[in-house]
Amino acid sequence: DQQVKQNSPSLSVQEGRISILNCDYTNSMFDYFLWYKKYPAEGPTFLISISSIKDKNEDGRFTVFLNKSAKHLSLHIVPSQPGDSAVYFCAASEGYNTDKLIFGTGTRLQVFP
Amino acid sequence: DAMVIQNPRYQVTQFGKPVTLSCSQTLNHNVMYWYQQKSSRAPKLLFHYYDKDFNNEADTPDNFQSRRPNTSFCFLDIRSPGLGDAAMYLCATRGGSHRGSGYTFGSGTRLTVV
Repeated sequence: DQQVKQNSPSLSVQEGRISILNCDYTNSMFDYFLWYKKYPAEGPTFLISISSIKDKNEDGRFTVFLNKSAKHLSLHIVPSQPGDSAVYFCAASEGYNTDKLIFGTGTRLQVFP
Repeated sequence: DAMVIQNPRYQVTQFGKPVTLSCSQTLNHNVMYWYQQKSSRAPKLLFHYYDKDFNNEADTPDNFQSRRPNTSFCFLDIRSPGLGDAAMYLCATRGGSHRGSGYTFGSGTRLTVV
């Protein structure tokens, strides 16, 4: 039973346009959500996070939106660049003492010129 | 640069032959994790250490063991690898009290079982 779901395995976007990556979750106890980016043959790198008490967090070209009532979050990349081409993982954690991240299956983003 | 280093990057082992994967960190983080990722699947937590306290996931097979002799090093031992254990194994660390700061991952070890 997957608690964090990324239903789009891949996304293709033109350079300069907006990329929107989506993530759904089922556990209402999750209180922190994170996005990771992964290049081939490398480990995931932390991108941006959001606490469940917020509905938006922005860092440069990256913005994460959280809709708690829909149990949905999204990552917006504006403008998209070819270097953004990677696999993006959504992850969630529950409770301060838990220390565990539950990952989605990832979305492969390709940004073409 | 402070980092998380996994050795080796690629490991080939024989069916049933014990294998050890290693992870070291220069971040002085107190929490270390081992994740298993199979192709096109979500990374799955096997276990983690909070300092020396070992926390095993309920569905982690007994075939998988871990050791953390000190803050810097953590090992994953697979006692009798099966074909189904072929995967990417990711080590990660976390430090600090702010949970939104995320984990720092190593580059992973890709394990092949022949």
